Amino acid sequence: GENVEQHPSTLSVQEGDSAVIKCTYSDSASNYFPWYKQELGKRPQLIIDIRSNVGEKKDQRIAVTLNKTAKHFSLHITETQPEDSAVYFCAALMYSGGGADGLTFGKGTHLIIQP
Amino acid sequence: GAVVSQHPSRVICKSGTSVKIECRSLDFQATTMFWYRQFPKQSLMLMATSNEGSKATYEQGVEKDKFLINHASLTLSTLTVTSAHPEDSSFYICSARVLMRSNEKLFFGSGTQLSVL
Repeated sequence: GENVEQHPSTLSVQEGDSAVIKCTYSDSASNYFPWYKQELGKRPQLIIDIRSNVGEKKDQRIAVTLNKTAKHFSLHITETQPEDSAVYFCAALMYSGGGADGLTFGKGTHLIIQP
Repeated sequence: GAVVSQHPSRVICKSGTSVKIECRSLDFQATTMFWYRQFPKQSLMLMATSNEGSKATYEQGVEKDKFLINHASLTLSTLTVTSAHPEDSSFYICSARVLMRSNEKLFFGSGTQLSVL
């Protein structure tokens, strides 16, 4: 099955600086890579995702890059703000034409934005 | 995003009792829903895949007789934790696949914090 590794487990950055979280996956057949933000006791919120036919995707201050050859993808947050503080999870799965697939999550990164 | 409603948000029960958690898709039909469990400060672990009108598919190590899943309609999946014990205390969360602008995405319910005394 799929295995997703996520680093670092904790990341502390100064407000206004950039933050980068990296993930690797094991199953070369995986083709969908979402990122979720989870605040304490709340549901994970999808913040950005990327599919294997795209190398980079950007949405305002958030961007995700994907290197299929190396099987790794990264989340980039620029101009960080206090409200960006949360736990971020990467995930991977393979969509198989409507078949039932569950996400495999990384272990999470606790992002702390220092004022 | 799509709305996935999950109830109850918090349950405290005695050891040996059964607890039912509901997951509803409010503005779309979900043929497939997923149930995850999250222990404190850990990641989400997939427990099972719930398929409308058929048996659920369980991940390795998850007892199907203990975690009963029913997906009787296109908008409702339920997870019943039978004979709950303290080690079952966890955050349980469902998710549903949604087709949005020709792409499928997954959205999560609000989660249920289960505490077994």
